[in-house]
Amino acid sequence: GENVEQHPSTLSVQEGDSAVIKCTYSDSASNYFPWYKQELGKGPQLIIDIRSNVGEKKDQRIAVTLNKTAKHFSLHITETQPEDSAVYFCAASMWGLTFGKGTHLIIQP
Amino acid sequence: GAVVSQHPSRVICKSGTSVKIECRSLDFQATTMFWYRQFPKQSLMLMATSNEGSKATYEQGVEKDKFLINHASLTLSTLTVTSAHPEDSSFYICSARDRLRIGPETQYFGPGTRLLVL
Repeated sequence: GENVEQHPSTLSVQEGDSAVIKCTYSDSASNYFPWYKQELGKGPQLIIDIRSNVGEKKDQRIAVTLNKTAKHFSLHITETQPEDSAVYFCAASMWGLTFGKGTHLIIQP
Repeated sequence: GAVVSQHPSRVICKSGTSVKIECRSLDFQATTMFWYRQFPKQSLMLMATSNEGSKATYEQGVEKDKFLINHASLTLSTLTVTSAHPEDSSFYICSARDRLRIGPETQYFGPGTRLLVL
């Protein structure tokens, strides 16, 4: 089955700086890579996703890049704000979702 | 946008009792719903896949007799934790797939249910 590794487990950045979270996957058949933001006590919310036929996707301050050859994908958040503080999960899928272990992003004022 | 609700949001029960959690798709029909369990500071672990009108498919290590899943309609799936014990205390999250759209990106997550077994 699919295995998704996510790093780092905790990331602390100064407000206004950029944050990068990286994931690798094992199954080359996976073709869909979403990123979820989860706030304390809430369900995960999809923030951005990318399909395997695209190398990069951007939505305002958030971008995702995908390297199919290396089987890794990354989340980039620019100009971080306090409300970006949360746990972020990557996932890989061909049909069902396999999640990474999550990254606790802390934005320091 | 697509909305998935869960009820209750929090439940406390005594050890040995059963607890039912509902997952509803509010503005779309879902032929497939997924149940996840999340322990503190951990990732989401898929427990089972629920298909409308048929038996659920359970992941390895998940006891089907303990976690009963019913998906009787296109908008409702229920998870019943039978004879709950303290180790079943967790955050249970459902997601639903829109039957009119294909692809895994059409999974919408509910807000979760916090279960505490005393």
